[in-house]
Amino acid sequence: GQQVMQIPQYQHVQEGEDFTTYCNSSTTLSNIQWYKQRPGGHPVFLIQLVKSGEVKKQKRLTFQFGEAKKNSSLHITATQTTDVGTYFCAGMLPRANAGKSTFGDGTTLTVKP
Amino acid sequence: SAVISQKPSRDICQRGTSLTIQCQVDSQVTMMFWYRQQPGQSLTLIATANQGSEATYESGFVIDKFPISRPNLTFSTLTVSNMSPEDSSIYLCSVVFGNSPLHFGNGTRLTVT
Repeated sequence: GQQVMQIPQYQHVQEGEDFTTYCNSSTTLSNIQWYKQRPGGHPVFLIQLVKSGEVKKQKRLTFQFGEAKKNSSLHITATQTTDVGTYFCAGMLPRANAGKSTFGDGTTLTVKP
Repeated sequence: SAVISQKPSRDICQRGTSLTIQCQVDSQVTMMFWYRQQPGQSLTLIATANQGSEATYESGFVIDKFPISRPNLTFSTLTVSNMSPEDSSIYLCSVVFGNSPLHFGNGTRLTVT
């Protein structure tokens, strides 16, 4: 079945450093979503990427979708302590029902002030 | 955005007992899902809750263990039956509005002793 691999599993950075998490699918995706889960919280939707090669920005966060629609990345510039949490990618196969995305294992980010 | 109310927020249960988790949305949704997040792990889809009919279960999950109801467009329940310590997890209700991405409830943190 579909697999979504996400690396690294953990990332510890000094406040102000950059952070990147990568997501790779074994199959071509219809779209990919990114979620953030704060410690003790529930996943919260950040963004959805649909088009090949798409790049979207949200303040210090930059999201990319690969040309082949099989990989994606989330980059945070100049991390802050508020960025702490686990970032999940979730890939959806073409013609899959909404909501039946496959989640990556997540990257847990800790930020040292 | 819609409010997704999930309860209980947490519970500690004895093995062999069952727990029913409720999910209420304040507006009609297209689809409702139940996810499981084991400690330190990613999210795994248990089933799609279908209004007025049996839920659609993912591989590895069965109705006898995780019976699900969805009597209307805004409410669903998940029961974790005959619990064992391995069932200790966070159980998350999630919904989709039209073509939206997943929106999650706050989750139910279940500990089975």
